[in-house]
Amino acid sequence: EVQLLESGGGLVQPGGSLRLSCADSGFTFSNYAMNWVRQAPGKGLDWVSAISDGGGSTYYADSVKGRFTISRDNSKNTLYLQMNSLRVDDTAEYFCARGIVGGILHAFDIWGQGTMVTVAS
Amino acid sequence: QSALTQPPSASGSPGRSVTISCTGTSSDVGYYNYVSWYQQHPGKAPKLMIYEVSKRPSGVPDRFSGSKSGNTASLTVSGLQAEDEADYYCSSYAGSNNLVFGGGTKLTVL
Repeated sequence: EVQLLESGGGLVQPGGSLRLSCADSGFTFSNYAMNWVRQAPGKGLDWVSAISDGGGSTYYADSVKGRFTISRDNSKNTLYLQMNSLRVDDTAEYFCARGIVGGILHAFDIWGQGTMVTVAS
Repeated sequence: QSALTQPPSASGSPGRSVTISCTGTSSDVGYYNYVSWYQQHPGKAPKLMIYEVSKRPSGVPDRFSGSKSGNTASLTVSGLQAEDEADYYCSSYAGSNNLVFGGGTKLTVL
């Protein structure tokens, strides 16, 4: 079965850092672009970042540019999101999502169950 | 980048059809045929229902269909069933390596 499993969420103070991970199973990880999408409590979906299948190209929403870094280790079938200078409005469930074949930001066909990040003092 | 505009709620009776709209601009929905729709049940991850305006992934019932006219995309759910009650989100590629989502529509099956 194709699956994504996020980890690394938790409670962090404003200005702090956190690293999220997303491990895949059931598909050839290195063949797909990957993304992070977040959802604040009771709110809608918000695209955060994307990375190409080989990791050579990365893209960010303006709201996280310069603070978040997306990366991947294809030898470990794992996607990462390093989050620095966290703000209260970064509080959200963070989902990793697989991009469909043929386009990095066209659609996301497999989603993880999410990991919660809470930024509060 | 501004979010796409969706009605906050929609409803329909079992067996009937309902259409949810998603309005963007000539820079996103109106320009690119990369509109997607996602279904999200409470406490669950989103599920891809439609991609590239009108294509259905394997396993999605053909009761779900998508279309686009100008800057507005639409998701139609025909033959409404109780399990269709969920939040629905549209998204569109917006150029310059950016993607935008709609604010979401809560679909209620009466």
